[in-house]
Amino acid sequence: KAGVTQTPRYLIKTRGQQVTLSCSPISGHRSVSWYQQTPGQGLQFLFEYFSETQRNKGNFPGRFSGRQFSNSRSEMNVSTLELGDSALYLCASSAGNGETQYFGPGTRLLVL
Amino acid sequence: GQQLNQSPQSMFIQEGEDVSMNCTSSSIFNTWLWYKQDPGEGPVLLIALYKAGELTSNGRLTAQFGITRKDSFLNISASIPSDVGIYFCAGRLTVGGYQKVTFGTGTKLQVIP
Repeated sequence: KAGVTQTPRYLIKTRGQQVTLSCSPISGHRSVSWYQQTPGQGLQFLFEYFSETQRNKGNFPGRFSGRQFSNSRSEMNVSTLELGDSALYLCASSAGNGETQYFGPGTRLLVL
Repeated sequence: GQQLNQSPQSMFIQEGEDVSMNCTSSSIFNTWLWYKQDPGEGPVLLIALYKAGELTSNGRLTAQFGITRKDSFLNISASIPSDVGIYFCAGRLTVGGYQKVTFGTGTKLQVIP
């Protein structure tokens, strides 16, 4: 089985722009979670989608949003980018409730 | 956001030595997970623990789910250079169909050949 894939792997944006990141889960996995990783804050949970519905949300501002499609692929959007949004954005998929998450390689976002 | 207390933060060891790291929390979890992350990559699952007191091995790695459900440790025996990386613990709580995963602060491991 192919693992979790994320595109793009690297991205450079400027303040005020918006960005969309994509995640394709492992085949058959219906849950997709997004995390932000920074040196200072570690791994922080953003949100989780299951069967196209957001069912869990972390403590991030409304500029961070996401969605999941019927094929379980997920996108994450960040609007009005700030310098502090520079981070590695990780996506993880699992088969469902209580199942272990498997991470993708991440998208490294740099905001200038 | 909440993070688990993981220690040590970093360690330098000689190749061949054993390594031990642990994670503690003020709240309980149903599952403990240990991940390894290489630079520029996502975390890779090493071991999953599902029951209090459970001791599980994966090659040279051994992890235990604490009896109180608030802690876990990971041991690496006979370390080798490719063990270098950042190790994260994660506690998962599944309640009413919702799961919440909280990650530790990470232990950076350096192995001196």
